[in-house]
Amino acid sequence: NAGVTQTPKFQVLKTGQSMTLQCAQDMNHEYMSWYRQDPGMGLRLIHYSVGAGITDQGEVPNGYNVSRSTTEDFPLRLLSAAPSQTSVYFCAAQGSRQRTEAFFGQGTRLTVV
Amino acid sequence: AQRVTQPEKLLSVFKGAPVELKCNYSYSGSPELFWYVQYSRQRLQLLLRHISRESIKGFTADLNKGETSFHLKKPFAQEEDSAMYYCALRGLNTGFQKLVFGTGTRLLVSP
Repeated sequence: NAGVTQTPKFQVLKTGQSMTLQCAQDMNHEYMSWYRQDPGMGLRLIHYSVGAGITDQGEVPNGYNVSRSTTEDFPLRLLSAAPSQTSVYFCAAQGSRQRTEAFFGQGTRLTVV
Repeated sequence: AQRVTQPEKLLSVFKGAPVELKCNYSYSGSPELFWYVQYSRQRLQLLLRHISRESIKGFTADLNKGETSFHLKKPFAQEEDSAMYYCALRGLNTGFQKLVFGTGTRLLVSP
């Protein structure tokens, strides 16, 4: 049971480049979300989705796009990478019933130079 | 406002010593409180949730609504407890409720 799988694990981008961070889950959970982890700031919510075709912004959405065409996949796109987007990104999946546990992927460490 | 405060960035103890990682929160309503742990080069994983009221790996945490705290405790620390610990809260309302994380405390247990 893989749970939540993120690819790639590491990535270096040049300023202005675009890329997509992949996230896939095999638990059939309705809710998926993306967080970024920065030193001294904990994890902050970027975007989330409550089901296929439905996405919404979190607290730090600028510079990122998401889509949810299937229950399993929730990719995060950086259209024009900036050094401020250097961070560790975590994808999470959670069932829609109350009090269900959130499961996290192993993270993607992104460096923008 | 929703806020989780972990005042210690680093907590360094010797093996066998008691450990207490502090967590205070601010939330208008009834939140669900969690402790997540991140071992070196591993994913974030749930350690404890206040609703379960259980002990995991010797750790316990009690929700104190009067002091708005959810401190994590272990009577005898082990070297394998060295990790990053995050306190988090989530609303108990229906629908998607984001997790609000503290800034984390790194626990270092020395032999």
